[in-house]
Amino acid sequence: EAGVVQSPRYKIIEKKQPVAFWCNPISGHNTLYWYRQNLGQGPELLIRYENEEAVDDSQLPKDRFSAERLKGVDSTLKIQPAELGDSAVYLCASSFSTGSYEQYFGPGTRLTVT
Amino acid sequence: QQQVKQSPQSLIVQKGGISIINCAYENTAFDYFPWYQQFPGKGPALLIAIRPDVSEKKEGRFTISFNKSAKQFSLHIMDSQPGDSATYFCAARIGRTGGTSYGKLTFGQGTILTVHP
Repeated sequence: EAGVVQSPRYKIIEKKQPVAFWCNPISGHNTLYWYRQNLGQGPELLIRYENEEAVDDSQLPKDRFSAERLKGVDSTLKIQPAELGDSAVYLCASSFSTGSYEQYFGPGTRLTVT
Repeated sequence: QQQVKQSPQSLIVQKGGISIINCAYENTAFDYFPWYQQFPGKGPALLIAIRPDVSEKKEGRFTISFNKSAKQFSLHIMDSQPGDSATYFCAARIGRTGGTSYGKLTFGQGTILTVHP
């Protein structure tokens, strides 16, 4: 069974440029999460989807971050414009249901903003 | 706001030794406490989890001890092996009393474990 797929794995951009990350969750998993992991820190939830509905986006900086999961399967996270402080690893995870403590993480996208 | 505090930040253990990582929490809305293991360049993966009505759970060389009154829990890795070298995160899940936040995981800051051969 394929795991959570993320692309790209690495991205280097200049500040003020836009960037997008893509995630394909495990087949059959209704819940999808985007996390940000700063160096030496644990993952922090940005947004959680239940099918195509964003059920928790309270930690998403909405002035520059946006996300979508149009068909309830794959998802895109966008930053526009990027700032130096956005440099981090962006992790996507999925779970069978919203209450599951067992989340399956992808390998992440390491973003460097210069 | 840091809701799950983890210590130590880093830990060095000799092969065959016991590794102990501790976590503490405040939020009584948490109802499940998983531990995740992360290798460099990979995403975290679930290792073991415990409910607060259980004081101890063991899976192979990994044991979680839970102290509900103290709001503390710990991971013990027995007979530590070089292959256990990774970053370990404790986490806490918000239960149904948390309303729309039900299911949300809050992670500790992580412990970098190095097991020397």
